[in-house]
Amino acid sequence: AQTVTQSQPEMSVQEAETVTLSCTYDTSESDYYLFWYKQPPSRQMILVIRQEAYKQQNATENRFSVNFQKAAKSFSLKISDSQLGDAAMYFCAYEGVVRDDKIIFGKGTRLHILP
Amino acid sequence: SAVISQKPSRDICQRGTSLTIQCQVDSQVTMMFWYRQQPGQSLTLIATANQGSEATYESGFVIDKFPISRPNLTFSTLTVSNMSPEDSSIYLCSVVRQGRNTEAFFGQGTRLTVV
Repeated sequence: AQTVTQSQPEMSVQEAETVTLSCTYDTSESDYYLFWYKQPPSRQMILVIRQEAYKQQNATENRFSVNFQKAAKSFSLKISDSQLGDAAMYFCAYEGVVRDDKIIFGKGTRLHILP
Repeated sequence: SAVISQKPSRDICQRGTSLTIQCQVDSQVTMMFWYRQQPGQSLTLIATANQGSEATYESGFVIDKFPISRPNLTFSTLTVSNMSPEDSSIYLCSVVRQGRNTEAFFGQGTRLTVV
């Protein structure tokens, strides 16, 4: 069975600084998707960034980028120039390609932005 | 994208009663997913709802406790039955848009408090 592990329950970063959130996963599948979702206090889950496993190039979305290490099954999220609006729970998530759309979430990392 | 309208957004219920949560999607989807998110925790999949067949429940969740309806391709309900304080949680529905830019979309969540 697939698992997603986030080992950092909470992190803090100074505004305008850079922070990296860690995620590791376990799977026997060769093709899959990895995601980072953000959940602010409003509870609305928001997709931050997506990575297809077959792509070697790391995904980037403006201030958000990932370090995808397929062999190590590692998928970290880097947030550059942190802003107060980045404060939220961040969930790493996995979805296999060959199956039923189920998404498996890590336990989450609560990110605090210090002004 | 997909827009999901979920209601109620919150409710306070007496133990022993039942609450039905509704999710309406703005487009037809094959599968809808129901998650539970306990305070400060990750999302745990309760079940997958397919139109025209019985929902598929994850380990630890049973139909008698969480009956699900899926009358058409845009709507689903989850009932939390015979509630106890341990059922106090956030419940979210979700759909996955497959394709090149696969992404999960979520309802706003229902915060349930059982007293």
